Amino acid sequence: QKEVEQDPGPLSVPEGAIVSLNCTYSNSAFQYFMWYRQYSRKGPELLMYTYSSGNKEDGRFTAQVDKSSKYISLFIRDSQPSDSATYLCAMSWNTGNQFYFGTGTSLTVIP
Amino acid sequence: SQTIHQWPATLVQPVGSPLSLECTVEGTSNPNLYWYRQAAGRGLQLLFYSVGIGQISSEVPQNLSASRPQDRQFILSSKKLLLSDSGFYLCACPVPRSGRASSYNEQFFGPGTRLTVL
Repeated sequence: QKEVEQDPGPLSVPEGAIVSLNCTYSNSAFQYFMWYRQYSRKGPELLMYTYSSGNKEDGRFTAQVDKSSKYISLFIRDSQPSDSATYLCAMSWNTGNQFYFGTGTSLTVIP
Repeated sequence: SQTIHQWPATLVQPVGSPLSLECTVEGTSNPNLYWYRQAAGRGLQLLFYSVGIGQISSEVPQNLSASRPQDRQFILSSKKLLLSDSGFYLCACPVPRSGRASSYNEQFFGPGTRLTVL
């Protein structure tokens, strides 16, 4: 079993839709949860970070962590064509240097 | 702030040819450095990481190798490329950040090198 599972998509939505991206994980020791956005032919960039359980909101983006279910989500409200990218979840169990990535979900927002 | 340089940006190589990809980091000293490969449908695969000059850990056995000749330089090599080596190669290093609840490390990525083996 992989440490982190993520549906690769692709996901295609109309502009203005609410997008839900999800990851599940197996290691209950994970404490730090991140979402990266990767545009085509570019390196991934950190989009959201959450420590332990709960929600975090940043503009149109909301990250949720449910540690009891080992499930994390990223919601995008009022999706825009500029949100078209691959979204990767990532997690780690300490503030050190070991990161576990999902395979990424490809999202296309159609104008 | 950290900056990661990778070159070349794009490379097309024949099967059996050698490979050398370079990564240099600015804005930090003695960083941990990582090489990842992203192939279609396979996600982000950790290939090597290094905690210091001359110290390399391999995560996946294959025909690739890595070296760290200087503190902020990380090189990925191969003596003979295979078709399966095609992919997007990313260099990365952790960057410390401060959040409201705790401090954490962000895995910070370079711009990548797209390798096509024909």
